[in-house]
Amino acid sequence: AQSVAQPEDQVNVAEGNPLTVKCTYSVSGNPYLFWYVQYPNRGLQFLLKYITGDNLVKGSYGFEAEFNKSQTSFHLKKPSALVSDSALYFCAVRDRPLGGGNKLTFGTGTQLKVEL
Amino acid sequence: EAQVTQNPRYLITVTGKKLTVTCSQNMNHEYMSWYRQDPGLGLRQIYYSMNVEVTDKGDVPEGYKVSRKEKRNFPLILESPSPNQTSLYFCASSSPGAKNYGYTFGSGTRLTVV
Repeated sequence: AQSVAQPEDQVNVAEGNPLTVKCTYSVSGNPYLFWYVQYPNRGLQFLLKYITGDNLVKGSYGFEAEFNKSQTSFHLKKPSALVSDSALYFCAVRDRPLGGGNKLTFGTGTQLKVEL
Repeated sequence: EAQVTQNPRYLITVTGKKLTVTCSQNMNHEYMSWYRQDPGLGLRQIYYSMNVEVTDKGDVPEGYKVSRKEKRNFPLILESPSPNQTSLYFCASSSPGAKNYGYTFGSGTRLTVV
């Protein structure tokens, strides 16, 4: 069974500082990996994905994530945090090939708080 | 605009009163799914559908029903809601050829059962 772990319930960072939101995963094969963001009273917005290729993937709003197969991690990063980045972030994984109901398994979420 | 539309956005109901949350997508996606989001638990899959008339249980199906009579619609039915079904619900759709390889999510339905 596939699973995702986000070890931090909350991450606090000062505006302008770099941020990292951690994610580790477990799948039986090669993974599709995703980050989604949820702003208050909003749905889930896609940030970025890793499918194959370069281990460093770039996404929306200046976010990037690094895929590390040996450590089974996919940490979300941003060089300089903004107050507007404050939101709930979810890491998700899906097995490939596309089977098993196309299921996306989510982590428990990390609340990012960026302060002035 | 490509989207997944859920209705209603907010719903307060009483224990035992049947309700339906509707979900519709305009992307011709084969795959649709329902998730519930609870604090500290993330999103958990309730039911999914691979295509019309093909549905199956996810991780937390108890107390829920679904149907997929048309490709675009995937309603979530609570025959006898209970307070432990108070949650934020998301519908999502996807396809092997879908953009971003992931899901497109609806805006969510916040359900309160009293």
